[in-house]
Amino acid sequence: AQSVTQLDSQVPVFEEAPVELRCNYSSSVSVYLFWYVQYPNQGLQLLLKYLSGSTLVKGINGFEAEFNKSQTSFHLRKPSVHISDTAEYFCAVSDSRYGGSQGNLIFGKGTKLSVKP
Amino acid sequence: GAGVSQTPSNKVTEKGKYVELRCDPISGHTALYWYRQSLGQGPEFLIYFQGTGAADDSGLPNDRFFAVRPEGSVSTLKIQRTERGDSAVYLCASSVRSSNEQFFGPGTRLTVL
Repeated sequence: AQSVTQLDSQVPVFEEAPVELRCNYSSSVSVYLFWYVQYPNQGLQLLLKYLSGSTLVKGINGFEAEFNKSQTSFHLRKPSVHISDTAEYFCAVSDSRYGGSQGNLIFGKGTKLSVKP
Repeated sequence: GAGVSQTPSNKVTEKGKYVELRCDPISGHTALYWYRQSLGQGPEFLIYFQGTGAADDSGLPNDRFFAVRPEGSVSTLKIQRTERGDSAVYLCASSVRSSNEQFFGPGTRLTVL
């Protein structure tokens, strides 16, 4: 079984400041890793994913995340945030043993990023 | 193209009633997932379809919950004898068989009074 821990429920930050949203996971098998964003009153949108290969993954809107197997972490970073980045961010894992789309996602509880002017 | 759509967007019902929630996946997506998101929580997996069959229903909380996908496209999540604890946003997602990216719909907010 897998589990995901997002250590911060809320992260306030000023515009143009850097931000890091933390995610740790637990799993007895190899996993794929994902970050999703949920803007107010909208559905979940994929930001980026790690399947294999380079541990530094770049996504949309200037976000990136680094997979650290030894620390079982997949922290999300952005060097300079905008007001429009205000949203809730979810880290998720899926079992990679079956490949393809057979893996349901296990989500963390989410981190609310609030960007202030 | 059109994304995943879910109807209704909001559903208010009384305790003990039966409800149906509908999901229209992206055309051509063979995999379909249902999740439930309670207030302050991340989405929790309910059931996964590959084509017409339920490949994994381990997330359904009890036998009051049932889902179908008779023609391998539209899916309906059915909840019998609703309870106040069923109040949540029910999310649907679909994906292409060979892809790991799930595309989510806007959700149906279910409120059980």
